[in-house]
Amino acid sequence: GAVVSQHPSRVICKSGTSVKIECRSLDFQATTMFWYRQFPKQSLMLMATSNEGSKATYEQGVEKDKFLINHASLTLSTLTVTSAHPEDSSFYICSASASGPLYEQYFGPGTRLTVT
Amino acid sequence: AQSVAQPEDQVNVAEGNPLTVKCTYSVSGNPYLFWYVQYPNRGLQFLLKYITGDNLVKGSYGFEAEFNKSQTSFHLKKPSALVSDSALYFCAVSPRQLTFGSGTQLTVLP
Repeated sequence: GAVVSQHPSRVICKSGTSVKIECRSLDFQATTMFWYRQFPKQSLMLMATSNEGSKATYEQGVEKDKFLINHASLTLSTLTVTSAHPEDSSFYICSASASGPLYEQYFGPGTRLTVT
Repeated sequence: AQSVAQPEDQVNVAEGNPLTVKCTYSVSGNPYLFWYVQYPNRGLQFLLKYITGDNLVKGSYGFEAEFNKSQTSFHLKKPSALVSDSALYFCAVSPRQLTFGSGTQLTVLP
């Protein structure tokens, strides 16, 4: 089946620093990638949708200047949390789809971000 | 706007008994429905989907779900639960974007 990886799996950073999270589709080309945020014991909240080679589409309430998304190739998308604050601590999950948003998405294992 | 409701935060079932995790949805047009499972500190694993066709969909690990258009439901079922099925289950709907339900924690008791 389709495999999506995320790196790092866990990261701890200090307030004010930036953190980059990578999402890779290992065995298929992902035309669309998605970034979600999940708080403990809560559902996934879509942050943004990105298509290769174009700007990401952010959901309402998500600061695009704080959460920078780059979908540079059909197998790689990155999420950079800039000037991180403790309230940015969360579980970030990416997913990828080869057929656009209408079909099944393949999820990465998630990245646990802790901002101290 | 599309939405998904999972009315039960927690479902407990004894091993070997049938299990049902409920899901209802609201969407304009034809729904695309999905079930995912999440283990602690892990991403989501795809279980099954309904796009069109037979209302009874069979998926991974012996799970199945029945699409009921009149009741706008897509309940997840398994005839005989295993302890290893204990996890967090999410129902989701598209087509505009994947909207998730709040999740149901399934605990299978030995």
